[in-house]
Amino acid sequence: DVKVTQSSRYLVKRTGEKVFLECVQDMDHENMFWYRQDPGLGLRLIYFSYDVKMKEKGDIPEGYSVSREKKERFSLILESASTNQTSMYLCASSSASGTGIRDTQYFGPGTRLTVL
Amino acid sequence: KNEVEQSPQNLTAQEGEFITINCSYSVGISALHWLQQHPGGGIVSLFMLSSGKKKHGRLIATINIQEKHSSLHITASHPRDSAVYICAVRLRNTGNQFYFGTGTSLTVIP
Repeated sequence: DVKVTQSSRYLVKRTGEKVFLECVQDMDHENMFWYRQDPGLGLRLIYFSYDVKMKEKGDIPEGYSVSREKKERFSLILESASTNQTSMYLCASSSASGTGIRDTQYFGPGTRLTVL
Repeated sequence: KNEVEQSPQNLTAQEGEFITINCSYSVGISALHWLQQHPGGGIVSLFMLSSGKKKHGRLIATINIQEKHSSLHITASHPRDSAVYICAVRLRNTGNQFYFGTGTSLTVIP
């Protein structure tokens, strides 16, 4: 059974704190993604990675950075959390570009981050 | 401008009703996905389509590539179908990136 896990379901941090969100997948997937989801805006891509130590900016990378030191783990970092980063953060993974079911992105359960 | 538009945004139905959710996109795609998100955040993939029609239980998904349109149908709806349904497209030639609609929130009343 495929599995993507995220380190926390709920997180409360203060403005200015450094925040780490961890994502681990056990499917040996090459691609990993970080999204944030806000009401009325849907899922927006922050960063993605298609290989270890590789990263690409998504649509809204400002205020975020990422790290992929191992294939199974993709970390999202908020260097100095701000209130406008309060959101639901979702991690996903997928196999390398292809057809059929391998195309599917598998999502983690999400981390609801509140920045006070 | 969002590359992926869904309608309706919110939908309330009586148990047993036939439900249709629509998705239109404005770009060339290699595949379209329908996702389901239950309260609490977990997202699961329902279908991946590149042409035609797929059926799984009471769920049917269709896509018309020429018209850049897809529909998700739920037959004999049930309260457990209550969730947010999200349309996502994989753009042609981008390899790894998906673009998402804002979702349709479905509530099925017993």
